[in-house]
Amino acid sequence: DIQMTQSPSSVSASVGDRVTITCRASQGISTWLAWYQRKPGKAPKLLIYAASTLRSGVPSRFSGSGSGTDFTLTISSLQPEDFATYYCQQASAFPRTFGQGTKLDIK
Amino acid sequence: QLQLQESGPGLVKPSETLSLTCTVSGASITSSGYFWGWIRQPPGKGLEWIGTIYYSGSTYYSPSLKSRVTISVDTSNNQFSLKLSSVAATDTAVYYCASSDGNYWGAFDVWGRGTVVTVSS
Repeated sequence: DIQMTQSPSSVSASVGDRVTITCRASQGISTWLAWYQRKPGKAPKLLIYAASTLRSGVPSRFSGSGSGTDFTLTISSLQPEDFATYYCQQASAFPRTFGQGTKLDIK
Repeated sequence: QLQLQESGPGLVKPSETLSLTCTVSGASITSSGYFWGWIRQPPGKGLEWIGTIYYSGSTYYSPSLKSRVTISVDTSNNQFSLKLSSVAATDTAVYYCASSDGNYWGAFDVWGRGTVVTVSS
């Protein structure tokens, strides 16, 4: 199985800050990586797929990069609605695997 | 617009079988390129992929659950289902059904709202 490791597991930030979350795969997955946002009581929402492609309707302050084993999700200027938990997921091979999540909360 | 809705018992006894259904609206469950899946989130933990079924009928399961899980499609009702046998307290979770039309590089772009399943006697 491909293990996905996110860091940090939690981060505190303020509105307007730039935040970067990292996801590392235990083996190369090319750009078969997705990022999701999950808010309490709501279903996960797809933000980015193919490592760097922004899903239609997702604000441009979100961006993704990376290939192979190392990936990042960046939020350029945090908005109040961005405080949530973020997960990466590899789609290179079965079984699909998620990172453990990064909780982003208000400083 | 594709929409998914989970349904099923919210309480299951240990050793019994958990059965959930996901009703699909806005697309045919046999549409070419689509895949359908189940993901769960135990309390206080992260997301766990359970399995995926493709429009072709191919299925893939989590190795840790493979001996207990079955995902199948009901074309007459445009639904797909999850069956998890011999459940234990560790199977308590929010269960989500999710899908994609295949244009998102393996990611799930549509999710149901989730349904809470508690395993307890």
